[in-house]
Amino acid sequence: GAVVSQHPSWVICKSGTSVKIECRSLDFQATTMFWYRQFPKQSLMLMATSNEGSKATYEQGVEKDKFLINHASLTLSTLTVTSAHPEDSSFYICSADDTGGDSPLHFGNGTRLTVT
Amino acid sequence: DAKTTQPPSMDCAEGRAANLPCNHSTISGNEYVYWYRQIHSQGPQYIIHGLKNNETNEMASLIITEDRKSSTLILPHATLRDTAVYYCIVRESGGSYIPTFGRGTSLIVHP
Repeated sequence: GAVVSQHPSWVICKSGTSVKIECRSLDFQATTMFWYRQFPKQSLMLMATSNEGSKATYEQGVEKDKFLINHASLTLSTLTVTSAHPEDSSFYICSADDTGGDSPLHFGNGTRLTVT
Repeated sequence: DAKTTQPPSMDCAEGRAANLPCNHSTISGNEYVYWYRQIHSQGPQYIIHGLKNNETNEMASLIITEDRKSSTLILPHATLRDTAVYYCIVRESGGSYIPTFGRGTSLIVHP
């Protein structure tokens, strides 16, 4: 089945630094990828929709200058958390849309970000 | 806001069937029902989806009511490894509609 690879699976960084998370679709082309954030014991919250070759669409309340999204190719989207703060510590998950009829979304295994 | 509602938690004995309900009373005609599950600290895993007919695969069965306002995911012989949060979402086929997740059902399978 379709696979989405997300890297790194976990990262620890200091306050004020930036962290890049990669999301790759391994065996299909994804014109659209989604980025979610999940806090402990809560559901997935959509942060932004990433479209190949165009600017991402951010959900209300998500700072686009803090969470930079790049979707330069049909198989890769990146999320960069800039000037990270401890409150940015969370579980970040990407998903890719294999646009073909009723195909399901495919999810990466998530990235656990801890900002110290 | 999520277009589905699910009970927050359920439990089931190992080896028994787990029946997880989902209410999607505002579903539209071209929206599919998808089920995912999330094991702790992992990304969601696709289970099954359907439009109006009942569906079965190697993981589960999906029963959709005739009016499509609710559905039930059935794990026929639950194992301890099926302990997870189960999410039911609705989504248009091939469209740009963005699926949003409710709180899901936390299923605990006990020995």
